[in-house]
Amino acid sequence: KAGVTQTPRYLIKTRGQQVTLSCSPISGHRSVSWYQQTPGQGLQFLFEYFSETQRNKGNFPGRFSGRQFSNSRSEMNVSTLELGDSALYLCASSLRGMNTEAFFGQGTRLTVV
Amino acid sequence: AQTVTQSQPEMSVQEAETVTLSCTYDTSENNYYLFWYKQPPSRQMILVIRQEAYKQQNATENRFSVNFQKAAKSFSLKISDSQLGDTAMYFCAFMKLDSGAGSYQLTFGKGTKLSVIP
Repeated sequence: KAGVTQTPRYLIKTRGQQVTLSCSPISGHRSVSWYQQTPGQGLQFLFEYFSETQRNKGNFPGRFSGRQFSNSRSEMNVSTLELGDSALYLCASSLRGMNTEAFFGQGTRLTVV
Repeated sequence: AQTVTQSQPEMSVQEAETVTLSCTYDTSENNYYLFWYKQPPSRQMILVIRQEAYKQQNATENRFSVNFQKAAKSFSLKISDSQLGDTAMYFCAFMKLDSGAGSYQLTFGKGTKLSVIP
């Protein structure tokens, strides 16, 4: 059974640009959550999608957005990148939500220069 | 809002010895889950153990066990017979049961870097 796949693994962008990250959950999983990991702030919840609907959103500016497709794959987008957006972005998939066992991907390392 | 505190930024343990990682949390909720996740250098977060707050019995998974003290809001992880592969960042996480919204999010501590020394 394939695990959670995040692409790309590494990304370098310039301030002001926008970026799209992708997450393919485990087959059959309908919930996808996104987390940002930085040395200063640690792990912070971004948003959660279930059956193409955003069910929950963390305390991030509107520059951070996401969506989920009918096959449960999810994308997150960050517009007008800032240096502080440099982070490891982790995606987690689960059957129905994080209360059921969640599996994380290896993350996308975004560097903003 | 919930907070999770891991007071030990770094710890080390000799191979085959036992180590305990500390975690405290603050919440006004009565029903919630607590987790320990492991993040090795590969960066992939791996669930180590999970505890439901309504269960008084401490969770155990092979060499990993927890000491859950609900009144004290404490949730420590004990690793027995430490192995080199246990070297990783360990994160304690809290999740409240928001059954109304049907959505669940994790609140993580800052992590403890554990090194297992041969």
